[in-house]
Amino acid sequence: GAGVSQSPRYKVAKRGQDVALRCDPISGHVSLFWYQQALGQGPEFLTYFQNEAQLDKSGLPSDRFFAERPEGSVSTLKIQRTQQEDSAVYLCASSPRTRVLTYEQYFGPGTRLTVT
Amino acid sequence: GQQVMQIPQYQHVQEGEDFTTYCNSSTTLSNIQWYKQRPGGHPVFLIQLVKSGEVKKQKRLTFQFGEAKKNSSLHITATQTTDVGTYFCADSGSARQLTFGSGTQLTVLP
Repeated sequence: GAGVSQSPRYKVAKRGQDVALRCDPISGHVSLFWYQQALGQGPEFLTYFQNEAQLDKSGLPSDRFFAERPEGSVSTLKIQRTQQEDSAVYLCASSPRTRVLTYEQYFGPGTRLTVT
Repeated sequence: GQQVMQIPQYQHVQEGEDFTTYCNSSTTLSNIQWYKQRPGGHPVFLIQLVKSGEVKKQKRLTFQFGEAKKNSSLHITATQTTDVGTYFCADSGSARQLTFGSGTQLTVLP
């Protein structure tokens, strides 16, 4: 079936604008993750959902970042009052199990956010 | 928090040469996963190592997990241009997340 999809693929925002990034995980995948990847770096964890429950949001850099997955499938990452340091690729990943320590994650293509 | 160091940061090899990237941690790693990210692409899962001293092979790729579970390596034999990309190790730690290394960017010169 289809893999993880993300939209938009590219987003340019003016500093101070709000943005919303969407993730459609693989159908039936219980676990969903958001990562932030700066240029030349590895992905950094932002938040984790198990179905609709946000079980870990320890990686969210500030209270301007908010994520939700209300029906346990599609997820949205919202960034309010964007700053230049928010410029990065935002990756969504899903996994079929809840025992995420032992299962691979399937990544989407990412959304490249540029804040001007 | 836990940090996973990866070396080298960059590696240029002639096609046909071997390549190795190393992943090191000051603390014991839980499970190690390896991902490959092509230029402009997203991370793609390669393999997972769980046991101390574990060695797994995938065609020209050999993955090792250290005896003390504090390091891991990926070795590619006879590189091809299709091997180009950034290779990341990632530790699952004790939380529901992956902690990625900084990656090794491999360039293969034809």
